[in-house]
Amino acid sequence: SSELTQDPAMSVALGQRVKITCHGDSLSNSYASWYQQKPGQAPLLVMYGKNNRPSGIPDRFSGSRSGNTASLTITGAQAEDEADYYCNSRDNNSDHVVFGGGTKLTVL
Amino acid sequence: QVQLVQSGAEVRKPGASVKVSCKASGYTFSDYYIHWVRQAPGQGLEWMGWINPKSGGTKSAQRLQGRVTLTRDTSISTVSMELSRLRVGDTALYYCARRLTIFGVAIFDAFDIWGQGTMVTVSS
Repeated sequence: SSELTQDPAMSVALGQRVKITCHGDSLSNSYASWYQQKPGQAPLLVMYGKNNRPSGIPDRFSGSRSGNTASLTITGAQAEDEADYYCNSRDNNSDHVVFGGGTKLTVL
Repeated sequence: QVQLVQSGAEVRKPGASVKVSCKASGYTFSDYYIHWVRQAPGQGLEWMGWINPKSGGTKSAQRLQGRVTLTRDTSISTVSMELSRLRVGDTALYYCARRLTIFGVAIFDAFDIWGQGTMVTVSS
């Protein structure tokens, strides 16, 4: 199976922009979905497909893909955005799913 | 409201089996695939497999094949995940999650509704 690679940790100043990336071979022909997970909570879907936000997700979250890299961008980060972020996608040519290792985002 | 409610925490010894259930409510049970995802303490998310509640068809992660069994009972809108030959390394929070479907189109890897998680502890 393929792998998705994320930076383990990132930080962003309050109100600034941050781009969280996810790299993997499966992303060359599949979009990633993105999840936000806060301590003690189940993951929350924040982005899917080309650039789609589920209902209730603020528009400061956006998604993109270039080559084998998917990105989740937060424009104007808020204190409540501090969380772990995970990407996932369909595994290459299979009915399996693969998750990235997660990025711990700190809002300074 | 739409929700998935999982069964309670379990403690097992190595070599034993555990079965975790996930009851759906607030939507048509058979219309949405259910995935299972686990998270070891302090670690990331690991995909385990999925079940099609309509047909009962399943797929599971290669590294778990042979140990994980996914089933459903449509009469009570419940899916279950049984993991056998448990190891200490199977200690984790186990989640069920519903696959997103928009106007009848399934988004393969997007999980929009999650259960609250079931802690499974494997210890001798």
